[in-house]
Amino acid sequence: DAKTTQPPSMDCAEGRAANLPCNHSTISGNEYVYWYRQIHSQGPQYIIHGLKNNETNEMASLIITEDRKSSTLILPHATLRDTAVYYCIVRSGTSYGKLTFGQGTILTVHP
Amino acid sequence: GAVVSQHPSWVICKSGTSVKIECRSLDFQATTMFWYRQFPKQSLMLMATSNEGSKATYEQGVEKDKFLINHASLTLSTLTVTSAHPEDSSFYICSARDDSGGLGIGGQYFGPGTRLLVL
Repeated sequence: DAKTTQPPSMDCAEGRAANLPCNHSTISGNEYVYWYRQIHSQGPQYIIHGLKNNETNEMASLIITEDRKSSTLILPHATLRDTAVYYCIVRSGTSYGKLTFGQGTILTVHP
Repeated sequence: GAVVSQHPSWVICKSGTSVKIECRSLDFQATTMFWYRQFPKQSLMLMATSNEGSKATYEQGVEKDKFLINHASLTLSTLTVTSAHPEDSSFYICSARDDSGGLGIGGQYFGPGTRLLVL
């Protein structure tokens, strides 16, 4: 599976949009981009995933560049409860399900 | 959304004893479950992939005789830490892949984790 690069930390003001970038320049055609987050001392939580089209659900939006080498997770109106470690993971649609977690981005939402 | 439970959430044991952790998918079937370990201020590390009715697949460096995995049904996988030592103290997290395809082919639902402290 392709490797991802994320900034180690980001800050965001409450109520503002949080834009979390992820670089996956070695992604191949059958690899999906997944985003999970982990709030302190809890198990990770699925946020969203996509292949090449932009995606939106009740939690977030995922914007994937046309060349698919990078993506951005957007939390439209961040709240204090969105403070967490956000993981961008790229994995093949043909592998048997393993997720490899990198170091992620620590997002801190402040009042 | 789908729920994965773990039991116990906290366990403290003496060195040399064995500890069993249960992982259950509550409202979906999971042929495949995964076990991760997380040390403080570190990311999740996959330990093994658990498949219902067959032997688990362990990641490199994980001792299969120390971390026994049993996936006896489509909703239950167990991890037993045998002869636990203080260095096994960690946060153990399981996840399950929905057989019906929820979250896509790579998606997993995670349990809340089990914190193990070995004295």
